[in-house]
Amino acid sequence: GENVEQHPSTLSVQEGDSAVIKCTYSDSASNYFPWYKQELGKGPQLIIDIRSNVGEKKDQRIAVTLNKTAKHFSLHITETQPEDSAVYFCAAPNSNSGYALNFGKGTSLLVTP
Amino acid sequence: DGGITQSPKYLFRKEGQNVTLSCEQNLNHDAMYWYRQDPGQGLRLIYYSQIVNDFQKGDIAEGYSVSREKKESFPLTVTSAQKNPTAFYLCASSVGAGYGYTFGSGTRLTVV
Repeated sequence: GENVEQHPSTLSVQEGDSAVIKCTYSDSASNYFPWYKQELGKGPQLIIDIRSNVGEKKDQRIAVTLNKTAKHFSLHITETQPEDSAVYFCAAPNSNSGYALNFGKGTSLLVTP
Repeated sequence: DGGITQSPKYLFRKEGQNVTLSCEQNLNHDAMYWYRQDPGQGLRLIYYSQIVNDFQKGDIAEGYSVSREKKESFPLTVTSAQKNPTAFYLCASSVGAGYGYTFGSGTRLTVV
């Protein structure tokens, strides 16, 4: 069922600035939190994920932080570039099945030169 | 190259018709999934399959059917019982629970 909330729905930043997208989840048993990037007309692509046994993970300009107590996790993009413009989705395990993923409603990120 | 292929890219359906969307993967993944994407709604789970010959309903399964006769294939049929089928349909696969998905490029279905 619906158990992932994502904010903001749109985000506009200038090139070189940082962007932060936040998600909250409801099932305290959730243990896997991926982030996807979707470009127009294409399928989403996995960009980074984190498991519940760590609090932060970095991959070049992208990082994800997890706060299990507060049940939220965030995507951080530093030194943004125009090619970062896309829709970003967070996800967490479906509370009904515990198997498939539930996705947030997405954040449309626009990076202006 | 390993990947997941959806076909066709665009599909038009008349009122009252059933249509089948194809999804094939050569990643040797056990699990496969179907999601529907509508503007502003994110991705909603239609059906998923953990293993061959087994599948489970997702949150919005009404009006849809699937089969999983082969590991590589997970076709989705949109039946005439689905009252609002116009959407972007995404197929995905994964090694199993707790692992990232590989998505196909999607099928855009329009009712005419």
